[in-house]
Amino acid sequence: AQSVTQLGSHVSVSEGALVLLRCNYSSSVPPYLFWYVQYPNQGLQLLLKYTSAATLVKGINGFEAEFKKSETSFHLTKPSAHMSDAAEYFCAVSGPRGNTGKLIFGQGTTLQVKP
Amino acid sequence: ETGVTQSPTHLIKTRGQQVTLRCSSQSGHNTVSWYQQALGQGPQFIFQYYREEENGRGNFPPRFSGLQFPNYSSELNVNALELDDSALYLCASSLDGGPGGTEAFFGQGTRLTVV
Repeated sequence: AQSVTQLGSHVSVSEGALVLLRCNYSSSVPPYLFWYVQYPNQGLQLLLKYTSAATLVKGINGFEAEFKKSETSFHLTKPSAHMSDAAEYFCAVSGPRGNTGKLIFGQGTTLQVKP
Repeated sequence: ETGVTQSPTHLIKTRGQQVTLRCSSQSGHNTVSWYQQALGQGPQFIFQYYREEENGRGNFPPRFSGLQFPNYSSELNVNALELDDSALYLCASSLDGGPGGTEAFFGQGTRLTVV
């Protein structure tokens, strides 16, 4: 069975600082992994995805994530935070046979960006 | 290319009532998945419809039911509403259940409040 754990429900950084949001997964099969962002009162927008190609994945808005099988991790990073990055971030793993419609989400991490 | 649209955006119902939520999938997609997102939580998978048939279900009681129509739009029905059903309901569309890593696109959600 698949599961996702996001370490830290709230992360606060200063504008211009490094953003690091942590995600660990558990999967009995090679996983597909995703990071989604959710702004207040909105749906989910895909930031990036890992689908067994390159382990370093680049996404939108300057975000990237590295798949580390040995650590079962898929942490999200951005070199320099912007005020507009403040939002809720969700890590997710796909369901059986890579079904990306059946996603198992973590509890989410709220990113606060201070001026 | 049209995105995923959900209606209504907000809804208030009384405990014990029934509710129907609607989702129009993205053009070219044949799979719709429904999620429940309680306040402060990650989305939880309810069920998925692929080519008008249920294709997997999460840990939700039978009073949560759904339909998918020939044009691949979908409905989520909830009977005998309970207070704990208050949540944001998200619809996601994808192609062929998303194998191979094709991403799921989310609608903006329907906020259901049960009083």
